[in-house]
Amino acid sequence: GAGVSQSPSNKVTEKGKDVELRCDPISGHTALYWYRQSLGQGLEFLIYFQGNSAPDKSGLPSDRFSAERTGGSVSTLTIQRTQQEDSAVYLCASSTLGDTEAFFGQGTRLTVV
Amino acid sequence: AQSVSQHNHHVILSEAASLELGCNYSYGGTVNLFWYVQYPGQHLQLLLKYFSGDPLVKGIKGFEAEFIKSKFSFNLRKPSVQWSDTAEYFCAVNAHGNNRLAFGKGNQVVVIP
Repeated sequence: GAGVSQSPSNKVTEKGKDVELRCDPISGHTALYWYRQSLGQGLEFLIYFQGNSAPDKSGLPSDRFSAERTGGSVSTLTIQRTQQEDSAVYLCASSTLGDTEAFFGQGTRLTVV
Repeated sequence: AQSVSQHNHHVILSEAASLELGCNYSYGGTVNLFWYVQYPGQHLQLLLKYFSGDPLVKGIKGFEAEFIKSKFSFNLRKPSVQWSDTAEYFCAVNAHGNNRLAFGKGNQVVVIP
């Protein structure tokens, strides 16, 4: 597609449920990032995939968070046993190898009630 | 790891006023620097970037930024703002050879007609 696509755009879930957020990066982009945007907190880095290298998971806030990237393309961010503090906008971005400009998707607004 | 500081998180100004947003980063090595903008209801998009060369960078919509290595700064400027510049502005940095972007907390700019 023309840009980074994320789904769903909005997700409301009950505390304790698991959620999966999806990201379709720009075709040919080898780098993929997940960020979390909370009100007044800027963008918090979560995880970074680059080609076939081991992902940089250093930003994941707890072991309830995990992400995978299948076939070097689509990525899924999974949050298990969601908590109210997980409520935020989850942003995905992609970039090409050697070009560090990241292109962002519209985000998934997650609300945990 | 690199970190980014943005001050004056909320800025309110009138049309035609000049705008300057400060950005300081902490990292001793060679960096790439970015300003992203997020207009209301839209996704993050790149405003301008600095990789190397002329430290004064021109971006879209009349914005510019100056990299001052000795001050670890990359301040954003626009001589005369318009109502349509109302948005949130984020400074970001990554180290050469590391695509992981670190973002500041953002500046919410409101331009009053």
